[in-house]
Amino acid sequence: AQKITQTQPGMFVQEKEAVTLDCTYDTSDPSYGLFWYKQPSSGEMIFLIYQGSYDQQNATEGRYSLNFQKARKSANLVISASQLGDSAMYFCAMTIGTSGSRLTFGEGTQLTVNP
Amino acid sequence: DADVTQTPRNRITKTGKRIMLECSQTKGHDRMYWYRQDPGLGLRLIYYSFDVKDINKGEISDGYSVSRQAQAKFSLSLESAIPNQTALYFCATSDPQGLGKNIQYFGAGTRLSVL
Repeated sequence: AQKITQTQPGMFVQEKEAVTLDCTYDTSDPSYGLFWYKQPSSGEMIFLIYQGSYDQQNATEGRYSLNFQKARKSANLVISASQLGDSAMYFCAMTIGTSGSRLTFGEGTQLTVNP
Repeated sequence: DADVTQTPRNRITKTGKRIMLECSQTKGHDRMYWYRQDPGLGLRLIYYSFDVKDINKGEISDGYSVSRQAQAKFSLSLESAIPNQTALYFCATSDPQGLGKNIQYFGAGTRLSVL
């Protein structure tokens, strides 16, 4: 069975600074996908970034990058140049196998960006 | 208009009542999912469907049923609602792009309270 662990219940960052949100995962399947989602206070789930287990390079999407360290089974999200609108809950999630049918979520990290 | 639409957005019901949550999508995706989120936790999968004729149980399907009326419509029913089904419910869709890359896109959520 797969598992996602997010050890930071809450994080604070100053506006315009970078922040790293931690995520570790556990699976014995060699094929898996790693995802980050953002949930603002309004409640919707917004897809941010994806990393495949066979991808050689770290994924990037604008100000978001995923620091993928396969040997350590970590998939940390890095947000550069934080903005006030980045304040939200952030979830790390994974799918396993080639079909990738089921997302398993971590418990989330609440990020607060201070002005 | 949203690509994944959930109705209603909010619902209050009483114990023992039957209730249906509806999801429709304009993304043209074959795969659809229902998740629930309890306060302070990540999402957990209830049911998923790969096409109109394919329905699969997730990790917490007891007390729920689903119907895939068309490619674009996937509804979740609580046959006899109970208070511990009070949660935020999400519908999601996906269109796998290759080995393990199965990005799921979520609706805005339905906040359900069972009294």
